[in-house]
Amino acid sequence: EAQVTQNPRYLITVTGKKLTVTCSQNMNHEYMSWYRQDPGLGLRQIYYSMNVEVTDKGDVPEGYKVSRKEKRNFPLILESPSPNQTSLYFCASSSSLGESSYEQYFGPGTRLTVT
Amino acid sequence: GQQVMQIPQYQHVQEGEDFTTYCNSSTTLSNIQWYKQRPGGHPVFLIQLVKSGEVKKQKRLTFQFGEAKKNSSLHITATQTTDVGTYFCAPMKTSYDKVIFGPGTSLSVIP
Repeated sequence: EAQVTQNPRYLITVTGKKLTVTCSQNMNHEYMSWYRQDPGLGLRQIYYSMNVEVTDKGDVPEGYKVSRKEKRNFPLILESPSPNQTSLYFCASSSSLGESSYEQYFGPGTRLTVT
Repeated sequence: GQQVMQIPQYQHVQEGEDFTTYCNSSTTLSNIQWYKQRPGGHPVFLIQLVKSGEVKKQKRLTFQFGEAKKNSSLHITATQTTDVGTYFCAPMKTSYDKVIFGPGTSLSVIP
């Protein structure tokens, strides 16, 4: 079954404690992306990756890191989480975006709370 | 930068009434995608529009891309409770790697 998986689904942590949210897709997609969703603000892109070893900032990259060492995995790293990073996070993948776009497949989401 | 507006922000309708949400971009687009997110769920792709003036239908849903390729609309005929959720547009530009979603329209259907 074609899918995007994220782990963990729920996480409560404390300020400053490094954490990683994993994302994996089994569709051989080149494009992967992380979004955060906050009430009233919709979906905002954090980072995206056009292919292995190629990553770039989205609209709200501050406080986040990503890596794309393998095509299927795109982990999101919070080196020193702060309460303003409490949010619902989605990973997504697609064959391509831009002029020749294909649909994005979203993971189930990770609800993060930073106290 | 690119500005994307969606109106209305919220819409409450009686079951059986029609519903329309509009997506407006400040710049000309190469294509536009629409997604639906059910409460507690993740966004799910509905459709992509590419051509100027394009109209596509999916059962009770009708999607339209403006002639100038700067706006789009989603119309639902005779809403049902299964239509509840937030509808997002995602405009795409040529060689534009970032993705900016519209703020979404939240639809509630009163049975």
